[in-house]
Amino acid sequence: AQKVTQAQTEISVVEKEDVTLDCVYETRDTTYYLFWYKQPPSGELVFLIRRNSFDEQNEISGRYSWNFQKSTSSFNFTITASQVVDSAVYFCALSERGNNDMRFGAGTRLTVKP
Amino acid sequence: KAGVTQTPRYLIKTRGQQVTLSCSPISGHRSVSWYQQTPGQGLQFLFEYFSETQRNKGNFPGRFSGRQFSNSRSEMNVSTLELGDSALYLCASRERGSGEQYFGPGTRLTVT
Repeated sequence: AQKVTQAQTEISVVEKEDVTLDCVYETRDTTYYLFWYKQPPSGELVFLIRRNSFDEQNEISGRYSWNFQKSTSSFNFTITASQVVDSAVYFCALSERGNNDMRFGAGTRLTVKP
Repeated sequence: KAGVTQTPRYLIKTRGQQVTLSCSPISGHRSVSWYQQTPGQGLQFLFEYFSETQRNKGNFPGRFSGRQFSNSRSEMNVSTLELGDSALYLCASRERGSGEQYFGPGTRLTVT
């Protein structure tokens, strides 16, 4: 069965601090996809990144970076020099091959204070 | 391209009533999925449609149903509403073969 755990329920940082959001997943499939989504107060889920299980390369996109480690079943997300606009709930999700539903973690609420 | 659109954005219904929510996917996307988001249960998968066929279904009672039309637009229906059905209902679309799902703004349903 697939499962996603985001152990951090809430994180609060001051602007310009770096912050890492943790994501640990469980799956029996060898082919799967991992995602991060951002949900601002407006409610819409905004796609941030997708990683497939065969690509363990870390990714950097501006202030965002992702660290995928199959050995520890983790897919962590780091925001460098956080900004107030980064305040949102962030979800990690897993989708197994042949299974079109996405299993979401409980989400981490990030608050960035000025 | 226009994003995923959902109507209505807000809805208030009474217990026992039924409700229909609508989702228009991104142009060219043939897969539409529905999710329920509540504070207690988080984001849960309801079902996915592709080419008018339901391909996958989450663990929800039969009161929750859906369909997809030939233009890929999808509707979700909940019959005999219960207080616990109060939630944000999110629709997502994706292109065939791509794992990336793009979400709409959601419909916030309140059952009183």
